[in-house]
Amino acid sequence: NAGVTQTPKFRVLKTGQSMTLLCAQDMNHEYMYWYRQDPGMGLRLIHYSVGEGTTAKGEVPDGYNVSRLKKQNFLLGLESAAPPQTSVYFCASSHGGGRAGTQYFGPGTRLLVL
Amino acid sequence: QQQVKQSPQSLIVQKGGISIINCAYENTAFDYFPWYQQFPGKGPALLIAIRPDVSEKKEGRFTISFNKSAKQFSLHIMDSQPGDSATYFCAKIIAAGTYKYIFGTGTRLKVLA
Repeated sequence: NAGVTQTPKFRVLKTGQSMTLLCAQDMNHEYMYWYRQDPGMGLRLIHYSVGEGTTAKGEVPDGYNVSRLKKQNFLLGLESAAPPQTSVYFCASSHGGGRAGTQYFGPGTRLLVL
Repeated sequence: QQQVKQSPQSLIVQKGGISIINCAYENTAFDYFPWYQQFPGKGPALLIAIRPDVSEKKEGRFTISFNKSAKQFSLHIMDSQPGDSATYFCAKIIAAGTYKYIFGTGTRLKVLA
């Protein structure tokens, strides 16, 4: 099992450009999440999904969109990148919530917006 | 917005020493408090988790203890090793019935050889 994989690993964008980050999991998990990690800020939830075809806003959703067309994939889109979106982005998935909700993280995507 | 206050921000410990990381929560009403470990360049991974009705949980050299009156959890790493050098995050469920966590700001631990 590959677990949670993320594509790409690293990307540089110019302000105003768009891009899509891809997350894939092979654990048949229902729930998937996108976080951003910034120094001194911990992990902040951007968007999440509780099943195929569903998405919901997290703590810091502005400037991002997501889609979950297939159970195993969760896409994070930046329509018009801005320098404050420079961050490391992590995708995670879980089987359920509460005590069954151990989240498994991908290796991250480092994004630099110039 | 609920908060998780994690301290210290960074910690340097000699090999064989005890590392202690604290997390304070506004609300301990919900039933799952995981701790994650993150090595440089990697994603976080679950280290240990505890319920608030349990005062202590031990897994190997890692122990979580719960101070109910202070609404605070502490992670103790006994006999700290250079391989334990990582960033540690505590987390809690935002509200019952949800699958969303809020994370602490992290503690960067360095264990000197």
